[in-house]
Amino acid sequence: GENVGLHLPTLSVQEGDNSIINCAYSNSASDYFIWYKQESGKGPQFIIDIRSNMDKRQGQRVTVLLNKTVKHLSLQIAATQPGDSAVYFCAENYTPWDTGNQFYFGTGTSLTVIP
Amino acid sequence: NAGVTQTPKFQVLKTGQSMTLQCAQDMNHNSMYWYRQDPGMGLRLIYYSASEGTTDKGEVPNGYNVSRLNKREFSLRLESAAPSQTSVYFCASSVQVNTEAFFGQGTRLTVV
Repeated sequence: GENVGLHLPTLSVQEGDNSIINCAYSNSASDYFIWYKQESGKGPQFIIDIRSNMDKRQGQRVTVLLNKTVKHLSLQIAATQPGDSAVYFCAENYTPWDTGNQFYFGTGTSLTVIP
Repeated sequence: NAGVTQTPKFQVLKTGQSMTLQCAQDMNHNSMYWYRQDPGMGLRLIYYSASEGTTDKGEVPNGYNVSRLNKREFSLRLESAAPSQTSVYFCASSVQVNTEAFFGQGTRLTVV
C-alpha cells in the first residue's frame, strides 16, 4: 500500500493474475478520490475515480473500492498485463483550512508485471 | 491532440539563476496547476489557478511565482534557483478544481 514520506512500495505480479494496490488516505473530509497511473518518463494519467457517496466503482479491467470507516482506498486490476507496469497514485480531494480545494497525492506504488 | 504541453523538457540551472517553465493546454479547461515530484514524496501542489485571472498557493509555494497569462497558459517562475528545487515539475489542467486533471510530460530540472 501507499505511505506518506516513506520509500516507494512495490508490487510484483504474474501476467494474467489480478493486482490489488492499496492506499491509506489522510483526511476524513475528503469527498472525491482518483487513481492515476504513471509510466516511466511520463505524466500521471487518470484511471478511475470515486466519490465518497459510493463504496465501489468499476471500469474496464479496474475496480476501485472505498472504505471510509478506515480511510482506505484500493485499486484492483483484473488480468494484469505487461502494459500495466507503472507507478500508481491515489489522490484525495478536500479543502484545507488555509488553502483552496485541491488534490493530495499519495507516494505511489510501483507495479511490475512479470511475463 | 496536444493536451497539456510543457517546455522545456530538461533544464540545468546554477544556484541563483532564474527561469520560467511554460505550460499550455488546448482543452479549454478552466483550472491549471503546477506540481513538483520528488522521489518517495508523490506529487505536491505548488500553485494553481482555479480560473483565468486567479492564482492560489498550494502545499509548497515558497520560492516560486506563477502567472496565468490567459485561459490556455500558466507559467511557473523560479526567481533564484536553489538545489532544493531540483525536481520533476508537472503542469496539469482540469475542467474545474475538483475534477480529474490532465498532466503534461514533465520538466526535469536540476539545480547545481
